[in-house]
Amino acid sequence: KNQVEQSPQSLIILEGKNCTLQCNYTVSPFSNLRWYKQDTGRGPVSLTIMTFSENTKSNGRYTATLDADTKQSSLHITASQLSDSASYICVVSDRGSTLGRLYFGRGTQLTVWP
Amino acid sequence: EADIYQTPRYLVIGTGKKITLECSQTMGHDKMYWYQQDPGMELHLIHYSYGVNSTEKGDLSSESTVSRIRTEHFPLTLESARPSHTSQYLCASSEKAPSGSGETQYFGPGTRLLVL
Repeated sequence: KNQVEQSPQSLIILEGKNCTLQCNYTVSPFSNLRWYKQDTGRGPVSLTIMTFSENTKSNGRYTATLDADTKQSSLHITASQLSDSASYICVVSDRGSTLGRLYFGRGTQLTVWP
Repeated sequence: EADIYQTPRYLVIGTGKKITLECSQTMGHDKMYWYQQDPGMELHLIHYSYGVNSTEKGDLSSESTVSRIRTEHFPLTLESARPSHTSQYLCASSEKAPSGSGETQYFGPGTRLLVL
């Protein structure tokens, strides 16, 4: 069964600290993996996208890694800010259909405290 | 920020009422999607469209219907709302990303629906 599991479910950190969010998936075949940020009451916004051949991608203070062999990805946030408080969703796409089916994780709820 | 809009943002309605959730995008994307998301849970695809006059049901069984008469417009209709329909509904559209990297979906702000 194709699944995307994220950990931790929730995380509280102090402003300025770093953190790492984890994503494990069993989706096969694999096409790409995205990390989205979803602010409360808003739709998700894409942060990074990685294909099979990429093992790291950065977007400002966000750095995503991908290990396609172990089917794991992480999102590292450096020098956290209050505005980083949001849900971070891992999304994996397969190549099994013309739709490029997306499998969503439940997200990690990050809270940054001052 | 993506040019995709949803109205209303919040809706409280009684059981049995007919409702239509609006979704519009100005990016000229052919593909559009409706997702349902409950708090703390993953997004579930309920409908999608590849273009005008093309609509398909998604993975999650839904009593809603959709239409795609114009490229930019993808409304979702519930003929008779029930408390079990209470949820957040997210609309998205997508464009083809650079070769090999799949498509990127752009999401609207969502409609929070409460059926009493």
